Amino acid sequence: DARVTQTPRHKVTEMGQEVTMRCQPILGHNTVFWYRQTMMQGLELLAYFRNRAPLDDSGMPKDRFSAEMPDATLATLKIQPSEPRDSAVYFCASGLAPTGAGANVLTFGAGSRLTVL
Amino acid sequence: DQQVKQNSPSLSVQEGRISILNCDYTNSMFDYFLWYKKYPAEGPTFLISISSIKDKNEDGRFTVFLNKSAKHLSLHIVPSQPGDSAVYFCAAKRAGTASKLTFGTGTRLQVTL
Repeated sequence: DARVTQTPRHKVTEMGQEVTMRCQPILGHNTVFWYRQTMMQGLELLAYFRNRAPLDDSGMPKDRFSAEMPDATLATLKIQPSEPRDSAVYFCASGLAPTGAGANVLTFGAGSRLTVL
Repeated sequence: DQQVKQNSPSLSVQEGRISILNCDYTNSMFDYFLWYKKYPAEGPTFLISISSIKDKNEDGRFTVFLNKSAKHLSLHIVPSQPGDSAVYFCAAKRAGTASKLTFGTGTRLQVTL
């Protein structure tokens, strides 16, 4: 049963601390997305990669957030320094980019719930 | 700017009845639409999708309708079951942007006995 694995599942930290969230996409998937779930905005796209190359990170506050894919089995989302307004659930999703029309179905991880005090 | 809108934060339906979840969008460049379902403490899971060249897609108890002129889509669940109680997200993809999905804020469906 292929799944997207996210760690940590829960993280409580103090304002100003660095936070790193990790994601293992499904083997063979070539697109990886980071979303953030908030009550007001729903699921906001932060960044996404195709074949490990960053395609769009316009949804991410650049001064404190960074996203990378060191290799095909690992994606990271880092916040430095963290702020209380960053408290949310962060989801990673992976998929296979379609070669034709349509959109690939993304498979989501269970999320990392971040609380910044 | 919220390009995909789900104006009803919650919906309660009796078991066996029809559930209708609505979604509006503003970007006429969207060419593919999806519905995802989310249980607490889990990630969203894909439910059903529709291309902009169609106006209906059906999969078992789930049917998605698309009205392009009104920029509106809806998800019908019939008959509704208690296990359908979850948050439902509408998502849309813009033409030329493979895989990049814009999501709505979600509608919480409660199916009561």
